[in-house]
Amino acid sequence: GAVVSQHPSRVICKSGTSVKIECRSLDFQATTMFWYRQFPKKSLMLMATSNEGSKATYEQGVEKDKFLINHASLTLSTLTVTSAHPEDSSFYICSARDAGPEVGEQYFGPGTRLTVT
Amino acid sequence: GQNIDQPTEMTATEGAIVQINCTYQTSGFNGLFWYQQHAGEAPTFLSYNVLDGLEEKGRFSSFLSRSKGYSYLLLKELQMKDSASYLCAVMDSNYQLIWGAGTKLIIKP
Repeated sequence: GAVVSQHPSRVICKSGTSVKIECRSLDFQATTMFWYRQFPKKSLMLMATSNEGSKATYEQGVEKDKFLINHASLTLSTLTVTSAHPEDSSFYICSARDAGPEVGEQYFGPGTRLTVT
Repeated sequence: GQNIDQPTEMTATEGAIVQINCTYQTSGFNGLFWYQQHAGEAPTFLSYNVLDGLEEKGRFSSFLSRSKGYSYLLLKELQMKDSASYLCAVMDSNYQLIWGAGTKLIIKP
């Protein structure tokens, strides 16, 4: 099946610094990638939808200046958490949708555990 | 508003059968997905239903009734490794996934 990778898998950073998380589709082209955030014991919260070559669409309540998303190619999207605070500590998961039919499963990356101290 | 409901937690015995229900109210419908998520890991795809009826895939089956806004995931011959959270998600008219909060399934020997 299709594989999506994320890097890093775990990151610890100090408050006020920025962290970049990469999401790659390894064996398919993804015109659309999604970034989710998951709080402990809660469902996935969609943060933004990114389409290759265009600006990301952010969900209500998600600060676009804080969570910078870039989708520069059909196989790579990045999420940068700027000026991180402890409340940004969370599990961030990306998913990618194949460039084929509009309706289909999303392939998830393994997630990135961010801890801000 | 859009809403997905599923039980918070269920307990079952190894070797038994369990049914996890999901009801939904969404703006449009382009399919319902079930995912399995082990603690600390990303979700993995289990099933996709877009037409009414039962889809069987090995020990797992998923049922959909669009008129009732209802689905269930049926797990047979439960194994200890099936202990996980099971997430129901509906793709709405904008082709975005609306997620339920997940059902934590506890399997006892």
